[in-house]
Amino acid sequence: DIVLTQSPASLAVSLGQRATISCRASESVDSYGNSFMHWYQQKPGQPPKLLIYRASNLESGIPARFSGSGSRTDFTLTINPVEADDVATYYCQQSNEDPYTFGGGTKLEIK
Amino acid sequence: QVQLKESGPGLVAPSQSLSITCTVSGFSLTDYGVSWIRQPPGKGLEWLGVIWGGGSTYYNSALKSRLSISKDNSKSQVFLKMNSLQTDDTAMYYCAKHSITTAMDYWGQGTSVTVSS
Repeated sequence: DIVLTQSPASLAVSLGQRATISCRASESVDSYGNSFMHWYQQKPGQPPKLLIYRASNLESGIPARFSGSGSRTDFTLTINPVEADDVATYYCQQSNEDPYTFGGGTKLEIK
Repeated sequence: QVQLKESGPGLVAPSQSLSITCTVSGFSLTDYGVSWIRQPPGKGLEWLGVIWGGGSTYYNSALKSRLSISKDNSKSQVFLKMNSLQTDDTAMYYCAKHSITTAMDYWGQGTSVTVSS
């Protein structure tokens, strides 16, 4: 199984600053020229919401403050600038290989 | 619009089985896959398995022997069955639709399952 390791487990960022979350895969999640890595945001009491698909594509309706980058085994979710509404836990997830797997999550707080 | 709604028993006794239904609308189960994901209280997300439009299924390696996913396309329902439940199976259980990009673009609100005697 592909193991996804997210870092940091939690971070506190000031309003208007940049937040960077890393996700490292135990093996490549690239196939056919695409990176099958996705990012989700989950607020307390709500289901996860898709933010970024295939590493760098912004899901419809998601603010451009969110962006994703990376390939093969190293991926990054960036939020810039951070707003109060971004307080949540963020998860990466790979769909390159069954079984699909999630990272452990990164909790974002406001400093 | 696309919607998914889970329905389950709420409380299951240890060693018993769990059956949850995901009823979908706004898309056809023959065109898109649906995954099951769970989240224990205060913990992260765990992918359980998927059923694709053609009916093929894939499961979480550690839970494979206890899981079964099936569907009824005509009723727009996907079913999760898990055997031999223990207290650490207590969680919120979600179903989610896959887009053509394979990401999970729509999620249900989840159904809470507590394993307790």
